[in-house]
Amino acid sequence: KNQVEQSPQSLIILEGKNCTLQCNYTVSPFSNLRWYKQDTGRGPVSLTIMTFSENTKSNGRYTATLDADTKQSSLHITASQLSDSASYICVVSDLTGGGNKLTFGTGTQLKVEL
Amino acid sequence: ETGVTQTPRHLVMGMTNKKSLKCEQHLGHNAMYWYKQSAKKPLELMFVYNFKEQTENNSVPSRFSPECPNSSHLFLHLHTLQPEDSALYLCASSQTGTGEAYGYTFGSGTRLTVV
Repeated sequence: KNQVEQSPQSLIILEGKNCTLQCNYTVSPFSNLRWYKQDTGRGPVSLTIMTFSENTKSNGRYTATLDADTKQSSLHITASQLSDSASYICVVSDLTGGGNKLTFGTGTQLKVEL
Repeated sequence: ETGVTQTPRHLVMGMTNKKSLKCEQHLGHNAMYWYKQSAKKPLELMFVYNFKEQTENNSVPSRFSPECPNSSHLFLHLHTLQPEDSALYLCASSQTGTGEAYGYTFGSGTRLTVV
């Protein structure tokens, strides 16, 4: 069964600090891995998407890495801001079902404090 | 805005009511989806439509009835719901082809409370 596990479940950091969120997956056949940011009461918004051949991808202060051999990904947030407080969801797509099959993690709830 | 619009944003309904959720996408995508998001659980895929044809029903109870009149509009008709159906309902769209789902985009969701 395809699964995506994220850690930690929740995290509190001070504004200006860096943090790293983890994602382990068992999805096959692998197509791509996405990181989404979801503010409370809103829909998820895409941060990055990486295919099998990509090791790292950045979007401003967000940098995602992918190790397809160990089936691990991380999302690094640099110089955190209060607006970074949200749930960060790791999503893995497989090649079955015409590309519509996404497996979602439960998310990491990040809170940035003063 | 993401290009996927959901209405209403919030809905409170009794267990005997009938209501509908609406989703509209302005991205030219050919696939649309309904998801349910409950607290501390991963998003659960409910229905998938490709070119307005339903291609997946993820064992969803019949009290949820989807409708897709065209590739840009998607509805979720609700009747005789249970309190455990209270959740955030998210609509998404994508452009599918060659085994990939490009531009997967979510709406802002409808927060549903069943009383």
